Amino acid sequence: DVKVTQSSRYLVKRTGEKVFLECVQDMDHENMFWYRQDPGLGLRLIYFSYDVKMKEKGDIPEGYSVSREKKERFSLILESASTNQTSMYLCASRILGTGLYEQYFGPGTRLTVT
Amino acid sequence: AQTVTQSQPEMSVQEAETVTLSCTYDTSENNYYLFWYKQPPSRQMILVIRQEAYKQQNATENRFSVNFQKAAKSFSLKISDSQLGDTAMYFCAFILIQGAQKLVFGQGTRLTINP
Repeated sequence: DVKVTQSSRYLVKRTGEKVFLECVQDMDHENMFWYRQDPGLGLRLIYFSYDVKMKEKGDIPEGYSVSREKKERFSLILESASTNQTSMYLCASRILGTGLYEQYFGPGTRLTVT
Repeated sequence: AQTVTQSQPEMSVQEAETVTLSCTYDTSENNYYLFWYKQPPSRQMILVIRQEAYKQQNATENRFSVNFQKAAKSFSLKISDSQLGDTAMYFCAFILIQGAQKLVFGQGTRLTINP
């Protein structure tokens, strides 16, 4: 079974703090993704990575950065957290070459910025 | 840009009933995949069913089936003999085969199965 894990299920941070969200997958997947999930908006792509040290902006990258130093780990960084970044954050991974395009999701991190 | 629309924010049915969740999408491309994902309360999102756009036959997975109408750009999910464990958020999603291959999600439908 593919396993995607995220470092925290719940996180509370203060405005202006630097926040790190970690995601690890154990199936040697090349592609990894960060989404935020908000009611009525579905999932929106923040950043994705095709492979180690590669990153691409998604639809809502403002206020976020990412790091992928190892294939299994993809980190989302909020440089200076703001209240409008309170949300559920989902990580996903995907293997290349199968032609199936299925993404496997982590359990999510519910971040509250006060 | 591709968009996915789920027009039913919430639905509720009795156990054992059949329920259909609606999804429409917009694209000018021909080669794509469509998905339904399920997110149970406090649990991970999982894939329910996948449909390749080039296949005319509707996909089925046990009690889950889709009605794929390519010309109408419609992709509904039918759940037969609904069970309490089907209670979840359901997301319709779309991916182009070419290009960046990013998943585009709809807004989600919260489905509740009542005993």
